[in-house]
Amino acid sequence: QLRLQESGPGLVKPSETLSLTCTVSGGSISSSSYYWGWIRQSPGKGLEWIESIYYSGSTYYNPSLESRVTISVDTSKNQFSLKLSSVTAADTAVYYCARQRRGAYYVDAFDIWGQGTMVAVSS
Amino acid sequence: QSALTQPASVSGSPGQSITISCTGTSSDVGTYNLVSWYQQHPGKAPKLILYEGNKRPSGVSNRFSGSKSDNTASLTISGLQAEDEADYHCSSYASSRTILFGGGTKVTVL
Repeated sequence: QLRLQESGPGLVKPSETLSLTCTVSGGSISSSSYYWGWIRQSPGKGLEWIESIYYSGSTYYNPSLESRVTISVDTSKNQFSLKLSSVTAADTAVYYCARQRRGAYYVDAFDIWGQGTMVAVSS
Repeated sequence: QSALTQPASVSGSPGQSITISCTGTSSDVGTYNLVSWYQQHPGKAPKLILYEGNKRPSGVSNRFSGSKSDNTASLTISGLQAEDEADYHCSSYASSRTILFGGGTKVTVL
């Protein structure tokens, strides 16, 4: 059974870089059928898609965050990672990693999610 | 790009049917049959309940169904049960090669 687990600091100072890793177990991140994505949810708010990456490194990204986001994949460790730079209080959220279905020219639903990790931005 | 529009809340009595709308544009919901719906209970991760408009993942109740008209997708929950009380989020692929989410709808079972 495929599982995803987020890891990283729960507290980040303003202007610094938020770094999270998602470890995939019970299956290969190198599957040709899926992308791997990051989604966040600010307290009491809706979901916001951040970016998605294929095992080859191809990405789909959210233009509103793209300038601050770096996403990478490490197939040898079955992990993918998120870095968000120059964080502010507005970046305080629960961050989820998830597996994402793909088609020939699109990405689709997130079908398996990690449990999420809360990241607070505060000095 | 703008988020998809969902009603903030919908309520219904046990056994009733309710429908949640998800309105986008011709650049997302209206063009692509790639609307997904997620159920999220408090403090939990979202769970996929419908994808590609009306397809249910294995194990999801057939009380959940989806449809689309023009730029609006809809989720219908039939035979409403207490366990259906949760937040529901829609999402869609968009022509800008992005994923858009709605603001979420809180479903209350009266």
